Amino acid sequence: EAAVTQSPRNKVAVTGGKVTLSCNQTNNHNNMYWYRQDTGHGLRLIHYSYGAGSTEKGDIPDGYKASRPSQENFSLILELATPSQTSVYFCASGQTGHEVFFGKGTRLTVV
Amino acid sequence: KTQVEQSPQSLVVRQGENCVLQCNYSVTPDNHLRWFKQDTGKGLVSLTVLVDQKDKTSNGRYSATLDKDAKHSTLHITATLLDDTATYICVVGENTNTGKLTFGDGTVLTVKP
Repeated sequence: EAAVTQSPRNKVAVTGGKVTLSCNQTNNHNNMYWYRQDTGHGLRLIHYSYGAGSTEKGDIPDGYKASRPSQENFSLILELATPSQTSVYFCASGQTGHEVFFGKGTRLTVV
Repeated sequence: KTQVEQSPQSLVVRQGENCVLQCNYSVTPDNHLRWFKQDTGKGLVSLTVLVDQKDKTSNGRYSATLDKDAKHSTLHITATLLDDTATYICVVGENTNTGKLTFGDGTVLTVKP
């Protein structure tokens, strides 16, 4: 069964600290995505990737980096976390025209 | 500018009633449109995907329509159950290799006994 696994599921970070959110997919999908979901906003795309070694900026990339070291793994990196980055983050994998699968989300709180 | 607009923002129905959710969008190109269900604090689960210029799909008590000329989609839920309480999100997929998705803000559906 298709699966997207995010870790950690919950994280509390201090302002200015580095945070890495991890995502693993077993779907052999080329495309992977990182979104954030905030009250009053739909999911917004931060970064995405076409495949291993590629990362592309989404609609709100500022303050975030991404890394796709392999087909299965896609990480979101906050080098200097800020309280405005407190949110719920979702990872997804998919192929154009095919199903897309989401992880269960990571709740990040930056204090 | 909001590219995917959903209405109503929230809706309360009694168990057993039917309901209709609307989605209007301005995303171009529009390769396909998906409806997702998101339970509170959970991830998104795909309900259906619509692809054709004028498309209809059915998945149990969920049925959906898409009119690409009007850039409009509807999601119908028949004989609602308490477990249908959730946020329903309309998502438009662009016709590119990136498979980029644009999300609506969702309609919050509450089903009461």
